[in-house]
Amino acid sequence: DAKTTQPPSMDCAEGRAANLPCNHSTISGNEYVYWYRQIHSQGPQYIIHGLKNNETNEMASLIITEDRKSSTLILPHATLRDTAVYYCIVNSPSGTYKYIFGTGTRLKVLA
Amino acid sequence: DTEVTQTPKHLVMGMTNKKSLKCEQHMGHRAMYWYKQKAKKPPELMFVYSYEKLSINESVPSRFSPECPNSSLLNLHLHALQPEDSALYLCASSPNPGTTNTGELFFGEGSRLTVL
Repeated sequence: DAKTTQPPSMDCAEGRAANLPCNHSTISGNEYVYWYRQIHSQGPQYIIHGLKNNETNEMASLIITEDRKSSTLILPHATLRDTAVYYCIVNSPSGTYKYIFGTGTRLKVLA
Repeated sequence: DTEVTQTPKHLVMGMTNKKSLKCEQHMGHRAMYWYKQKAKKPPELMFVYSYEKLSINESVPSRFSPECPNSSLLNLHLHALQPEDSALYLCASSPNPGTTNTGELFFGEGSRLTVL
């Protein structure tokens, strides 16, 4: 079973911040949170990952709660090209390689 | 080179055919993966190879046969498939397992398979 739960869909106005939540209440101490997105009919694309500190890169920011049971991916200024399915995955990079995708959130950015 | 290359991009086969999907990466990654994705569903893990040895088989039917002939190449041999096996097959790789690394998966664009 997937270790994460996400809302099935969200809309966001172009230019506004998109905040995508993920619950991972059974996360263990050595597991990271990874975010990927999949634009229609393409392979999933890595966005960002983190362990317990907030992370930011050129694509997005990742906010992880202090208890690590949930996280939020933030796209600061969403564009139409950000319309995609966003997946949150938890796994340990030094453990098994069972990267299990949950159902994801289908983000639609509206003009 | 940070690409995972999958061929063919599209494949149509009959239920009695034998075909193969190919995946190649030149990033020095020693873990390689096959995922299956049906329409509007998340990718489902099928197989994982670690250092060219099969480490995970998610109870995949034997009509799917993976092969990892070397550290850069991953094949998926297909035989006697059913129409319900029609899907997008995704290959991925990740940096060396068991070492300090980001655990990031690098995906190819997939091979879209149609079984008639």
